[in-house]
Parts: sequence; C-alpha cells; structure tokens
Amino acid sequence: GENVEQHPSTLSVQEGDSAVIKCTYSDSASNYFPWYKQELGKRPQLIIDIRSNVGEKKDQRIAVTLNKTAKHFSLHITETQPEDSAVYFCALRAAGNKLTFGGGTRVLVKP
Amino acid sequence: EADIYQTPRYLVIGTGKKITLECSQTMGHDKMYWYQQDPGMELHLIHYSYGVNSTEKGDLSSESTVSRIRTEHFPLTLESARPSHTSQYLCASRGQGDNQPQHFGDGTRLSIL
Repeated sequence: GENVEQHPSTLSVQEGDSAVIKCTYSDSASNYFPWYKQELGKRPQLIIDIRSNVGEKKDQRIAVTLNKTAKHFSLHITETQPEDSAVYFCALRAAGNKLTFGGGTRVLVKP
Repeated sequence: EADIYQTPRYLVIGTGKKITLECSQTMGHDKMYWYQQDPGMELHLIHYSYGVNSTEKGDLSSESTVSRIRTEHFPLTLESARPSHTSQYLCASRGQGDNQPQHFGDGTRLSIL
C-alpha cells in the first residue's frame, strides 16, 4: 500500500516560534491530504485538509502546503502556543481508498 | 448531537475473556474503520467497512473480528483476550464522496491482565 514518511518524529519549539512538519509520499494518485492533532488521552481531531487541486490553505495560525510534483506536503504552525503541544499526524488518500497515516510528530511548545 | 461514540472508554479484564468494543455513529456514514494505537504512536488500521454487510481486514493483522449489520453500528470483538491485545482502539467514520473528512471516536483503552 501507500507509504507516508513524516518528519521530524519529535519537535521542540519555543513559544511564539514556528513549527513545520513535512510528509512525503510516492503514490501520485493521492488527492486528499488531511492533518490531525491528537492531544494526550484524546481522539485525533482534523485540523486542516487540502485537496490536490490546491497548493496552499490557511486557517488562522495553521497552514498546509502541497507540492504534487515533488510529492510532499507540510503543516506550518505560526506563533506557537502551549496548547499546540500534541502529536500531529499527516495522512493521505487516493480516490475511493482508505486513509494512510504518517508515523506522527510529537510537538512540544516550551513556554 | 451527531458524533461517533465508543464504549466502554476504559476496560481492564482478564486473559481469555471475550470482549466486544462498541462503536456507533449518528452521522449516517457508510464508511467505518477500526484502528489500533498505542498512546501517541502510529495509527494501525485493523478493520474497515464500506457499508452494511461489508467488512474487510486492514493493514495490520489482528485477531479481532467485526460485523456491520446496521449502518450506524460497527462493533469489534476479541474472542479470547490476551495481554498482547492491550492497546487503545479507535473507531472512525466518514461519508460518501472523496471530499468527506474522516472523524474519530474517543477510543477504548483496553488492558488485558
């Protein structure tokens, strides 16, 4: 099946700094790319998603960029706050298929 | 409120017991999924269903079984629990169409003694 590489596996940033997580994939048929945030002991929550006909999408302090040619997409969090501390998962899906998840990035925002 | 519900939230039980983890969604979604996840770690798909009477095994081999007799209900059963089954089990669902996002339940944290 499809493979998604997510980096880094852990990320520590100072409050107010930016955080960037990158995922790479190989299946060019992938057309849907969501990002999930999972706080400790809670369910994964969809925070932003992007479709293959769009290169960038922004929602307040969160943005996702997609480079279909290079087959990678990234999550950008600006002005990080302690409540951004969580595990973040990228995922992707080709038409009609199941989601494939990356291995997760543990983000720690230090006050 | 339209959501996806899992019960129980926590279960501690002895080896050899039969266990059923419940998952129900009130969103009318056709597609439902079960994932196994150690806390904060990678999500492993163990079963999925694309509608009533449709069930498939996922990417990770599992000794559990599932059924889909009703659209809203997708229970997962372990016939004889073992300590290696200790993990968190997350249920998810999504609607038809490639633009539909996938939503997760709160999970069941299972501990087999």
